[in-house]
Amino acid sequence: GAGVSQSPSNKVTEKGKDVELRCDPISGHTALYWYRQRLGQGLEFLIYFQGNSAPDKSGLPSDRFSAERTGESVSTLTIQRTQQEDSAVYLCASSLSRTGNYGYTFGSGTRLTVV
Amino acid sequence: AQSVTQLDSHVSVSEGTPVLLRCNYSSSYSPSLFWYVQHPNKGLQLLLKYTSAATLVKGINGFEAEFKKSETSFHLTKPSAHMSDAAEYFCVVTTNRDDKIIFGKGTRLHILP
Repeated sequence: GAGVSQSPSNKVTEKGKDVELRCDPISGHTALYWYRQRLGQGLEFLIYFQGNSAPDKSGLPSDRFSAERTGESVSTLTIQRTQQEDSAVYLCASSLSRTGNYGYTFGSGTRLTVV
Repeated sequence: AQSVTQLDSHVSVSEGTPVLLRCNYSSSYSPSLFWYVQHPNKGLQLLLKYTSAATLVKGINGFEAEFKKSETSFHLTKPSAHMSDAAEYFCVVTTNRDDKIIFGKGTRLHILP
């Protein structure tokens, strides 16, 4: 597609359940990022994928969070045993190059609400 | 390591008056700097970017920003605000040495009629 696609756009889940968020980057974009934006706060880095290199997971807040990416295509962010503090908008971005000199294209995000 | 500071969490201006959103950065290497805008319930949109070419960068919707190395600043300006400019604005820094894109905490721009 023309842009970064994220699904679902909205997700309401019960505390303790697992959720999976999906990101389809722009075809050919080697770099893929996941960010989280909690209400009233700035964007928080979660994880970064670059081609076939080992991902940078330094932003994942706990071991309940994990992410996978198949080659240079789809990525999934999984949150296990969700907690209310996980409620946020989860944004995915992709870039043509590692340095992002062409800019980063963001998806519209997945709004996660844990009740 | 790099960081970015947006000095104002909220800015209010009247429609038709100039806009100034401030951003300071720190970087051990030559930075690339970006401004993104996020309208309510929409994804982030790139306004403009600086990547070591001209220091005055023109973006979409009449916005521009000037890279000032001596002041480590990349402030976003617009001569005349429009109601549709009301949104959250993020200043972003990255370098060719580090793979992370670092976001400021955002500035919410309010446009008064």
